[in-house]
Amino acid sequence: EVQLVESGGGLVKPGGSLRLSCAASGFSFSTSTMTWVRQAPGKGLEWVSCIDSGSSHIFSADSVKGRFTISRDNAKNSLYLEMNNLRAEDTAVYYCVTGDANVWGQGTMVTVSS
Amino acid sequence: DIQMTQSPSAMSASVGDRVTITCRASQGISNYLAWFQQKPGKVPKRLIYASSSLQSGVPSRFSGSGSGTEFTLTISSLQPEDFATYYCLQHNSYPRTFGQGTKLEIK
Repeated sequence: EVQLVESGGGLVKPGGSLRLSCAASGFSFSTSTMTWVRQAPGKGLEWVSCIDSGSSHIFSADSVKGRFTISRDNAKNSLYLEMNNLRAEDTAVYYCVTGDANVWGQGTMVTVSS
Repeated sequence: DIQMTQSPSAMSASVGDRVTITCRASQGISNYLAWFQQKPGKVPKRLIYASSSLQSGVPSRFSGSGSGTEFTLTISSLQPEDFATYYCLQHNSYPRTFGQGTKLEIK
């Protein structure tokens, strides 16, 4: 079964940092582009960042450039999102998604509040 | 960046109705468009990819069409389980962009 399981969410103060992880199984993670998508409470979907299979090409939304870093470890079938200088507007459920957006994890909630 | 504009942003319809949702891209994206359904508290589910290809397991009452800048998602006969929010996503270029969503409610 194809599965993506996110972890690492939580409550953090503005300006703080958090690292999200996504454990992948059931498909060829090492050959798959991977993506993070987020959804603020009661709002729509926002594409955040993606990384190709070899970590050669990385793209990010302007809203997170310079603050969030996507990375992966193919040996561990894992995707990461390092989030720094967090703001209230980063509060959202963060989804780990395959590059073709066919498979989504259950999401992990990040709340930025003092 | 490519902007995706969905319309309407919300609509109400009855079981059995035919419903069409439109997504317009600010520049041409060929057929690199997908449609998603999201129910409250649930994870988005891909319905359509490559503008008109039906995801395996999705009922045939869902269909997609379009190319370039204008795309449509059609539900031929609404069922109770179809009341949800629908999003389009362009994957022609980076950054990828979603439409703002269309909330489909029961009339």
